[in-house]
Amino acid sequence: QSALTQPASVSGSPGQSITISCTGTSSDVGGYNYVSWYQQHPGKAPELMIYEVSNRPSGVSDRFSGSKSGNTASLTISGLQAEDEADYYCSSYTSSSTHVVFGGGTRLTVL
Amino acid sequence: QVQLVHSGAEVKKPGASVKVSCKASGYTFTKYAMHWVRQAPGQGLEWMGWINAASGNTKYSQRFQGRVTITRDTSANTVYMELSSLRSEDSAVYYCARDPYGYKFYFDFWGQGTLVTVSS
Repeated sequence: QSALTQPASVSGSPGQSITISCTGTSSDVGGYNYVSWYQQHPGKAPELMIYEVSNRPSGVSDRFSGSKSGNTASLTISGLQAEDEADYYCSSYTSSSTHVVFGGGTRLTVL
Repeated sequence: QVQLVHSGAEVKKPGASVKVSCKASGYTFTKYAMHWVRQAPGQGLEWMGWINAASGNTKYSQRFQGRVTITRDTSANTVYMELSSLRSEDSAVYYCARDPYGYKFYFDFWGQGTLVTVSS
């Protein structure tokens, strides 16, 4: 069981927007602005998409955005494209002895 | 460009140890921290620990405390992760991942991963 809770799957049609939630506690997501999001295509290493809740690394499309409210962080992908189909993981610093926790991952299907 | 290159796949017996390496290039090695994250087949990501490449200071997840050791060789720009007392549940892809700050715990570059298989 992962420390952060994500939906197992989401789907959307090309051009639509989707949002993936990531729910934790006040010891992780709610307590720190150290939430990040990663995209992982099958057989590949994860790739950073969002860091510190809402910042995009250079080279990442502005179709990807992040936000946080209370103990829940969200990743929104607008203008869905076929290449967005992948697994997405959230991560957060935690004050527990684990130090870093991940969500269980969300499989995005572009219909 | 930043590159993190892992050592090759390993097959180990239960109870053995494995040491995986991650060679960094394309940036100043000692200016960044390095983390290790693993992923069991078909499963999610799991953080194991990290090392400050400059000082060599480490922190580990409580889940692996006592079994994992992360070290670095600054002359070789290489970070190592050794996991001992292997069991079948340790079969996974092990990734090194660069941390630009060392205290914000996000990972801007990842290695390609090393597959470790634990089987009798």
